[in-house]
Amino acid sequence: QSALTQPASVSGSPGQSITISCAGTSSDVGGYNYVSWYQQHPGKAPKLIIYDVSNRPSGVSNRFSGSKSGNTASLTISGLQAEDEADYYCNSYASSDTWVFGGGTKLTVL
Amino acid sequence: QVQLVQSGAEVKKPGASVKVSCKASGYTFTTYSIHWVRQAPGQRLEWMGWINAGDGRTKHSQKLQARVTISRDTSATTAYMELNSLTSEDTAVYYCARRGSGHGVDVWGQGTTVTVSS
Repeated sequence: QSALTQPASVSGSPGQSITISCAGTSSDVGGYNYVSWYQQHPGKAPKLIIYDVSNRPSGVSNRFSGSKSGNTASLTISGLQAEDEADYYCNSYASSDTWVFGGGTKLTVL
Repeated sequence: QVQLVQSGAEVKKPGASVKVSCKASGYTFTTYSIHWVRQAPGQRLEWMGWINAGDGRTKHSQKLQARVTISRDTSATTAYMELNSLTSEDTAVYYCARRGSGHGVDVWGQGTTVTVSS
């Protein structure tokens, strides 16, 4: 399975909104509503922030939102804060009981 | 509280095997699947495979399926990942993680660093 395609980096100023895309195919992102997003700070384990395309786990800020159109999923972070600076990964079911991650996106808060 | 606790760091020589354990607590072990994910230094997350902790069914990534074995011991509420024929490219942090009732991975182990070096 090939990794899902994410931009290598995005940046934004505090208070702004940014969107990270996650492009796949009809065999993964487009075929199932099982896209999740993870935030990872340096040296730490990933943290689930969105599951099943647009659902937030309990305790995750409502500044994080997810969506999907066709074969591309998106993560939007509104009201950027310094602590949002991290790496972000998408993950999708990819048929036949397999899963695939995206290449990761480094978010810089300017 | 719900947690996954992994075994300690390992240093292996090329060609050797490594077995990492993942002890689950705070929930009914057999209700959820356990996934294994690795991350080489400075690289992306890579999905390795998963095990249904209830019935023991497994699935591995195509890339690793010839070298990886995922198992579990329900009496010990522990999952295991064994990787054979190690090379320097297997140097990474290995995570176990629980896929929750939605389809997100909601609980992660602390990670186990595996270093392959001659």
